[in-house]
Amino acid sequence: DAGVTQSPTHLIKTRGQQVTLRCSPKSGHDTVSWYQQALGQGPQFIFQYYEEEERQRGNFPDRFSGHQFPNYSSELNVNALLLGDSALYLCASSLGALNEQFFGPGTRLTVL
Amino acid sequence: DAKTTQPPSMDCAEGRAANLPCNHSTISGNEYVYWYRQIHSQGPQYIIHGLKNNETNEMASLIITEDRKSSTLILPHATLRDTAVYYCIVRPSNTDKLIFGTGTRLQVFP
Repeated sequence: DAGVTQSPTHLIKTRGQQVTLRCSPKSGHDTVSWYQQALGQGPQFIFQYYEEEERQRGNFPDRFSGHQFPNYSSELNVNALLLGDSALYLCASSLGALNEQFFGPGTRLTVL
Repeated sequence: DAKTTQPPSMDCAEGRAANLPCNHSTISGNEYVYWYRQIHSQGPQYIIHGLKNNETNEMASLIITEDRKSSTLILPHATLRDTAVYYCIVRPSNTDKLIFGTGTRLQVFP
């Protein structure tokens, strides 16, 4: 039973570029949440997708957008990258709402 | 902002119980207490959660005070693999949004 998987593992971009991160939820899960974790900080909630729609959103600008596909996998897109976007991006999946969230290993994004 | 307060770091000898405290004095009646941990360079791992009653599972025990303003996570027999950052999170019953603080860095030593 595969857990939450994320790709790529590491990514280096330059300021102003755009990036897409991918997440496959744990088998049987239909809800995906994204978090950003800066160095030395706890994860910060970006948004959550359920039934291919954004259901909740944290305090992040519109440069951060996402998508969920019919197979429940999800993408996180960040436009116009800033140096401050450098972080570990974590995906978490769950079965429906208000249930235990399982986290993936994350994608380490470095913006130069 | 995180609604919990935790000590930044703690040490524990291998084989001893690790007791990690958490203060959540502003918790509301419909909010759960969740504990996650994050081992270096990995995603957070769910440990346990509770509302009012004490809870126990194969990983840990959660003790919530009667007034619900604080709780303690207990790892009964700490091992070196329990070295991690432990996050105490208060989550309302109507949202999936987990608000992490900076957690407690637990160092288990031989």
